Amino acid sequence: AQRVTQPEKLLSVFKGAPVELKCNYSYSGSPELFWYVQYSRQRLQLLLRHISRESIKGFTADLNKGETSFHLKKPFAQEEDSAMYYCAPSNDYKLSFGAGTTVTVRA
Amino acid sequence: NAGVTQTPKFQVLKTGQSMTLQCAQDMNHNSMYWYRQDPGMGLRLIYYSASEGTTDKGEVPNGYNVSRLNKREFSLRLESAAPSQTSVYFCASKGPGELFFGEGSRLTVL
Repeated sequence: AQRVTQPEKLLSVFKGAPVELKCNYSYSGSPELFWYVQYSRQRLQLLLRHISRESIKGFTADLNKGETSFHLKKPFAQEEDSAMYYCAPSNDYKLSFGAGTTVTVRA
Repeated sequence: NAGVTQTPKFQVLKTGQSMTLQCAQDMNHNSMYWYRQDPGMGLRLIYYSASEGTTDKGEVPNGYNVSRLNKREFSLRLESAAPSQTSVYFCASKGPGELFFGEGSRLTVL
């Protein structure tokens, strides 16, 4: 069965501290991997996708096919990073989302 | 450019009532989706439509029906609402490389 696991429901860090959101997946084939973010009172939106290899808003994500993980990292968290983050593997037309991690960055 | 538009934004129903959530996109996307968002469970796919004229079940289709009316519109119907269907519903359409979401519809079933 296809499964996405985000083990941390809540993550609280101080401004300027590193933050890492874990994502593990169990998926057939070679899914494409995404991170989506939902800021307060805004729509869900794409943060980054693994094939683009970009750093968006200081975030990066490393795909480890051996461990089937796609952890999201930022070396220095900012208050505006407070949001809900979803890991999302995709095969064909379907995207599955993890349960989400709520990140709170404190001043 | 409106993107993905959902209506209504809020709705309260009594158990057993029916209702339809409407979704429209103006980006000429082929694929459209309905998700529900529940605390601790993330987003779960209800139904999707890979292209106009086709619909398929997602992870949690029971109690729902969908219609892909045309390329722009994809509606979600609850025939007989149950309290377990209290949730926030999101419609999305798929462009090159990403999903575009609506603002969500908060449904409460009493």
